[in-house]
Amino acid sequence: GENVEQHPSTLSVQEGDSAVIKCTYSDSASNYFPWYKQELGKRPQLIIDIRSNVGEKKDQRIAVTLNKTAKHFSLHITETQPEDSAVYFCAASNNGGATNKLIFGTGTLLAVQP
Amino acid sequence: DSGVTQTPKHLITATGQRVTLRCSPRSGDLSVYWYQQSLDQGLQFLIHYYNGEERAKGNILERFSAQQFPDLHSELNLSSLELGDSALYFCASSAPGTGNTEAFFGQGTRLTVV
Repeated sequence: GENVEQHPSTLSVQEGDSAVIKCTYSDSASNYFPWYKQELGKRPQLIIDIRSNVGEKKDQRIAVTLNKTAKHFSLHITETQPEDSAVYFCAASNNGGATNKLIFGTGTLLAVQP
Repeated sequence: DSGVTQTPKHLITATGQRVTLRCSPRSGDLSVYWYQQSLDQGLQFLIHYYNGEERAKGNILERFSAQQFPDLHSELNLSSLELGDSALYFCASSAPGTGNTEAFFGQGTRLTVV
């Protein structure tokens, strides 16, 4: 069935360092890959997304890469700041199929140490 | 504010009871998705409605049901509640059309079963 694996489950970095979170999806029909940030007790919020016709997308300190052949996509955060500390979720969906439901990874707790 | 409204924010009820969670999507959005987030868990997809019709079901228990009304608001009904149903329940909505798949989340309903 549809599955998204996410690693690592926890990640601790020093302020200013880079953080990388990796995801693998199983459904080859997936063509939309968003990343959400969730602060404690709050709703998930979209931070960046990528579609299957693009290999890389960047938005200031955040970038996402996609390898469709390997069914891998990754989130890269550079120059991390304490306010980047949160849980990050990757997701995959088949945009244009019968449903655009998002299948989420299990999340990565990122802690940025000042 | 995402524009997605969920009520109530908090709900405490006893085992065996039934509750109804309500979601109002963003203006113009036709899709409503329900997700369950248990303590320290990821976002588990429950069900997707599009313009009043069920489009996809995830790992939703038979004790749970949902519907989307003509005004596009949705309700998630949870019955014969068990302690393990305690979780944060999120509703998300997205715009119609294959190119608009960003899902906007409500602030969630925290359900505590005692």
